[in-house]
Amino acid sequence: AQKITQTQPGMFVQEKEAVTLDCTYDTSDPSYGLFWYKQPSSGEMIFLIYQGSYDQQNATEGRYSLNFQKARKSANLVISASQLGDSAMYFCAMSLRGAQKLVFGQGTRLTINP
Amino acid sequence: DTAVSQTPKYLVTQMGNDKSIKCEQNLGHDTMYWYKQDSKKFLKIMFSYNNKELIINETVPNRFSPKSPDKAHLNLHINSLELGDSAVYFCASSPPGRTGGSTEAFFGQGTRLTVV
Repeated sequence: AQKITQTQPGMFVQEKEAVTLDCTYDTSDPSYGLFWYKQPSSGEMIFLIYQGSYDQQNATEGRYSLNFQKARKSANLVISASQLGDSAMYFCAMSLRGAQKLVFGQGTRLTINP
Repeated sequence: DTAVSQTPKYLVTQMGNDKSIKCEQNLGHDTMYWYKQDSKKFLKIMFSYNNKELIINETVPNRFSPKSPDKAHLNLHINSLELGDSAVYFCASSPPGRTGGSTEAFFGQGTRLTVV
């Protein structure tokens, strides 16, 4: 069975610092995708970044990068130069190939302090 | 312009009532979903549809009945609402899977259901 674990319920970071949000996953399937979503206080779910299990390089999207360590089964999100608008809940998720569903972690509430 | 839209955004209703939430996507995706986010912010799949066909039903009470009249729409009807049904319900859609992997879901803005 798939499982996603986010061990940081809350994180507090100073503006302009980099922040790493932890995510570990568990699956025995070799084909899977890993995702990060942002949920601001307004409630919508915003897709940030994707990493496929066969991708050789870590995914990057602007200030977001995914530190993919396959042997450790971790997929941490790194946000560089944090901004006040980055304050939100962040969810890590996984989908097995063909499974047609996302399994989510518990989420991490990130607060950026000025 | 909206990719995945669901209505209503807020829904307050009494126990025992029946209510529906509507969802439409204009992305041309084949797969649509309903997710439930509880009060602790935990998100869980309820249903998954592919081309109007039910693919996943994750042990959801049969008071919840999804209906997909076409692949752009997936509605959720809930009978005999209970206090425990209070949650945020998200509709989502996704394109076909990427080569060798899976695919992200694009979410609607959510419907906050409060049962009183």
